[in-house]
Amino acid sequence: GAVVSQHPSWVICKSGTSVKIECRSLDFQATTMFWYRQFPKQSLMLMATSNEGSKATYEQGVEKDKFLINHASLTLSTLTVTSAHPEDSSFYICSAASGDYEQYFGPGTRLTVT
Amino acid sequence: RKEVEQDPGPFNVPEGATVAFNCTYSNSASQSFFWYRQDCRKEPKLLMSVYSSGNEDGRFTAQLNRASQYISLLIRDSKLSDSATYLCVVRDNFNKFYFGSGTKLNVKP
Repeated sequence: GAVVSQHPSWVICKSGTSVKIECRSLDFQATTMFWYRQFPKQSLMLMATSNEGSKATYEQGVEKDKFLINHASLTLSTLTVTSAHPEDSSFYICSAASGDYEQYFGPGTRLTVT
Repeated sequence: RKEVEQDPGPFNVPEGATVAFNCTYSNSASQSFFWYRQDCRKEPKLLMSVYSSGNEDGRFTAQLNRASQYISLLIRDSKLSDSATYLCVVRDNFNKFYFGSGTKLNVKP
């Protein structure tokens, strides 16, 4: 299957700082990338959908000014958690899809805000 | 009502058993259907797409019933390594994906 990478795989930051997470599709061009968050023992929650070159579409309840998404190319999307707080600590997973095909997930980024 | 519903389980089965999961979806215009597996603290991995005619991949068989709006996954001859959470995923006609909350499978020796 297609390969999607995420960086960093884990990060610890202090409250009030910003954290950027990168998601890359390594061997295909992703027309759409998705950002999810998953809390322990809960299901994936879609945060936003981004298409290359256009603004991301955020799910209800997700603050677009707090979670900045940039999808500048067909192989790279970034999620920046601005002014992070302890309640933002979670497992952030991106996925990429090409056209109407399956989503392929990155390995996730575990964020801990102290 | 959730877009995609699954029995959360857990399903506890012995090695070698056959186990089946069902998933229902609410949008009759849904276009594509998938099963993913997710191991603890890992990302979901695509297990198989589900086609209208049903499809099989080794010990795994997926079925789609559009009339009743459900998808099934059958695992034969369960292995310890099959222990995971199985996610039902549906893509709608606006290219939006919906995830079920997952069904946990524990295969015991």
